[in-house]
Amino acid sequence: AQRVTQPEKLLSVFKGAPVELKCNYSYSGSPELFWYVQYSRQRLQLLLRHISRESIKGFTADLNKGETSFHLKKPFAQEEDSAMYYCALSETSGSRLTFGEGTQLTVNP
Amino acid sequence: DVKVTQSSRYLVKRTGEKVFLECVQDMDHENMFWYRQDPGLGLRLIYFSYDVKMKEKGDIPEGYSVSREKKERFSLILESASTNQTSMYLCASSGTPRVVLFFGEGSRLTVL
Repeated sequence: AQRVTQPEKLLSVFKGAPVELKCNYSYSGSPELFWYVQYSRQRLQLLLRHISRESIKGFTADLNKGETSFHLKKPFAQEEDSAMYYCALSETSGSRLTFGEGTQLTVNP
Repeated sequence: DVKVTQSSRYLVKRTGEKVFLECVQDMDHENMFWYRQDPGLGLRLIYFSYDVKMKEKGDIPEGYSVSREKKERFSLILESASTNQTSMYLCASSGTPRVVLFFGEGSRLTVL
């Protein structure tokens, strides 16, 4: 069965510092990976998906099949990036998502 | 913009009560999902549905049931609420691709 692991429950950085939120997965097939974000008092929403290969709000994520990772990165964190971030995996059939435990990111001024 | 609406934002129920959580989406999406969100555990899939009157078990279906009588509405039912079902419940819907989900604001249920 597929599994998504986010090893950091809490991550705190200063404004302007680089940030990396880690995501590791286990799945024997060809997965599709996503990052979802929940800002304070807002609903959970899609941030980015790996097949789009785009940068959203300055965030990027590269799928590393060798290391089975999909880490989310931003070179210069902003206070408005403070949120809960969830990594998620879709199996090959694209039928459902499996989420990780989530990482609460705090960007300090 | 997709709108997924969960009728109750906060509920307090007693152990053994029957609880209904309602979810409505307005974008004619075929797929609807119920997750529960717990700190340190992330989101766990309870049930999902790809069509009217169709339902599939997720990862943690025990103690829950669902109903999808109309395309836009997906209800989560706790037949006999227990304290370990105290949680935030998130409803989501999707069209194509199925795995790009649009979430509701959540229903925080407390079972005393």
